Amino acid sequence: NAGVTQTPKFRILKIGQSMTLQCTQDMNHNYMYWYRQDPGMGLKLIYYSVGAGITDKGEVPNGYNVSRSTTEDFPLRLELAAPSQTSVYFCASSYPLASTDTQYFGPGTRLTVL
Amino acid sequence: QKEVEQNSGPLSVPEGAIASLNCTYSDRGSQSFFWYRQYSGKSPELIMSIYSNGDKEDGRFTAQLNKASQYVSLLIRDSQPSDSATYLCAGIAGSARQLTFGSGTQLTVLP
Repeated sequence: NAGVTQTPKFRILKIGQSMTLQCTQDMNHNYMYWYRQDPGMGLKLIYYSVGAGITDKGEVPNGYNVSRSTTEDFPLRLELAAPSQTSVYFCASSYPLASTDTQYFGPGTRLTVL
Repeated sequence: QKEVEQNSGPLSVPEGAIASLNCTYSDRGSQSFFWYRQYSGKSPELIMSIYSNGDKEDGRFTAQLNKASQYVSLLIRDSQPSDSATYLCAGIAGSARQLTFGSGTQLTVLP
């Protein structure tokens, strides 16, 4: 299993551009999450999904959109990029059971908006 | 607002010593807690989870949870230079099992 994969690894955007961060997991996990991590800070939840076709906002959803058409994929869309969206973005997935809630993280996408 | 607070550090300990990392949380609905290790430029890696009051040991790591005091800690015994990283405390709550992270504590183990 590859686990959680993210593309691209790095990206530089100009203000006002748009892009989609890709996230794929091959563990058949129902739950998927997008976080952002600013320098020296913890991770903040942007959006999450509990299954295909079901998404909901996290703590910092403004400026982002998501979709979940399959169990495996959970892309994050940035519309009209702003410097405040410069961050490292992590995708995670989990299969919550009574005995464990472990979230598995992808390698991250480092985004700079200039 | 649900918050998880960590002693911000940075924390330095000599090799072989015990490193103590602490975390408090505000949401009494948080059911489980996690300690993630994050090396610079890498993604978080789970090292301990704890679901009930008391201690949980795994090798050199011991997690402690006190729900009455809303306090979680991580002890690293016989610290090694390879333990040098940022440690993130996180609590989980809600039907979608959302994680709320603290800002992390940077640990340096000096040879």
